[in-house]
Amino acid sequence: GQQLNQSPQSMFIQEGEDVSMNCTSSSIFNTWLWYKQDPGEGPVLLIALYKAGELTSNGRLTAQFGITRKDSFLNISASIPSDVGIYFCAGQRLQGGSEKLVFGKGTKLTVNP
Amino acid sequence: NAGVTQTPKFRVLKTGQSMTLLCAQDMNHEYMYWYRQDPGMGLRLIHYSVGEGTTAKGEVPDGYNVSRLKKQNFLLGLESAAPSQTSVYFCASSPTWDAYGYTFGSGTRLTVV
Repeated sequence: GQQLNQSPQSMFIQEGEDVSMNCTSSSIFNTWLWYKQDPGEGPVLLIALYKAGELTSNGRLTAQFGITRKDSFLNISASIPSDVGIYFCAGQRLQGGSEKLVFGKGTKLTVNP
Repeated sequence: NAGVTQTPKFRVLKTGQSMTLLCAQDMNHEYMYWYRQDPGMGLRLIHYSVGEGTTAKGEVPDGYNVSRLKKQNFLLGLESAAPSQTSVYFCASSPTWDAYGYTFGSGTRLTVV
C-alpha cells in the first residue's frame, strides 16, 4: 500500500521550545492533513491543506503543503504541556471514488514543564 | 451531540471467539470507516462504506467482516479472533469523501489472548 514516511518518531522537548515534524511520500497527494491524538482518544484534525505550496496557521501551529505535493511539515511554536500527544500526517489522493486517507506512523511528542 | 460512538471501549477475547464492534454516528454522514491502530504503525484502513447497504475493502481487510444495514451504524465483525488482531480499533465517519470532514470515535481496545 501507499506509504507516508513521518519523522521523527518521537520528540522530547522543554516547554517553550518550537517543534517541527514532517511527512514525505513517493506519491502525489491532493490533500495533506495533520491530526493530534490524545491518550485514549481518537485523532482530531488540526490543519487541512489543499493546495501545493499552501502555508496555513492555526494558533501556534503552522503547516505547509510541499510544492512537489509529496511532502508536508507541521511546526508548533512555544510548546506547552497540553501539546503532548501523537501527531499524525495523512494524505488523500483523488482516485475517482476511492479517496481514502493514508496515515503516517505518527510522531510522539513529550513536553517537559 | 454524541458524534461517533464506539462500543465496547475495551474487550478481551480468547483465540477463536467471535465478536462485533459497533460504531454509531448521529451526524447523518454517508461515509463510514474502520481503522486499526498498532504501535508504530499509524492507522490502517480495514473496511469502509460509502452509503447504507454498501461496504468495501480497505488496506487490511483479512479476518474482518462489516455491515452497514442502517446509515447511522457500521459494524465490524471478527468471526474467529486471532492474537494478531489485538489492536485499538477506530471508527470514523464523514459527510463526503473530503477528509476534512472526518470525525473519529474514541476507539475500542481489543486484546486477543
